[in-house]
Amino acid sequence: AQSVTQLGSHVSVSEGALVLLRCNYSSSVPPYLFWYVQYPNQGLQLLLKYTSAATLVKGINGFEAEFKKSETSFHLTKPSAHMSDAAEYFCAVSVAGGTSYGKLTFGQGTILTVHP
Amino acid sequence: KAGVTQTPRYLIKTRGQQVTLSCSPISGHRSVSWYQQTPGQGLQFLFEYFSETQRNKGNFPGRFSGRQFSNSRSEMNVSTLELGDSALYLCASSLGTANQETQYFGPGTRLLVL
Repeated sequence: AQSVTQLGSHVSVSEGALVLLRCNYSSSVPPYLFWYVQYPNQGLQLLLKYTSAATLVKGINGFEAEFKKSETSFHLTKPSAHMSDAAEYFCAVSVAGGTSYGKLTFGQGTILTVHP
Repeated sequence: KAGVTQTPRYLIKTRGQQVTLSCSPISGHRSVSWYQQTPGQGLQFLFEYFSETQRNKGNFPGRFSGRQFSNSRSEMNVSTLELGDSALYLCASSLGTANQETQYFGPGTRLLVL
């Protein structure tokens, strides 16, 4: 079975500061990893995903994440936070195979607050 | 292309009642997954349908069921509602041919059970 741990349920940064949201996964087989963002009263929007190609993945809105197998991590970063980045962020994992059809396993989420 | 739509957006029910939620996937997508989101348990996978067949199921009681129609639209049903069923129910669609595909989420149906 796969699992995801997001370190820090709340992260607060100043506008213009570096954003770092941490995600560690557990999987006995090569994982597919995803970062989603959720704004209040909305569904989830994909920021980026890792599917075993390049380990450094670039996504929308200036976000990127690096897959580090040795650390079982997939941390999300953005060089300069913007007020509009305030939202809840979810890391998720899937794997190949029938037991994972349509199934994403999510972390508990990290609420990002951006201060002016 | 239109996104994933869910109806209704908000719903209030009382304990013991049943409820049906609807999800229309992106055109061309044959897979629909359902998730329950609560403050305590987070996002949990309910089940996935592909070409009218349930391919995968999470750890939820039998009160939670679903189906998919030939046009890929999906419904989920919760019978004998309990207070703990209050949640945001999200559906997501994808092509359904590989697990690394992006799942596109709808806005959700917020269910309140009184």
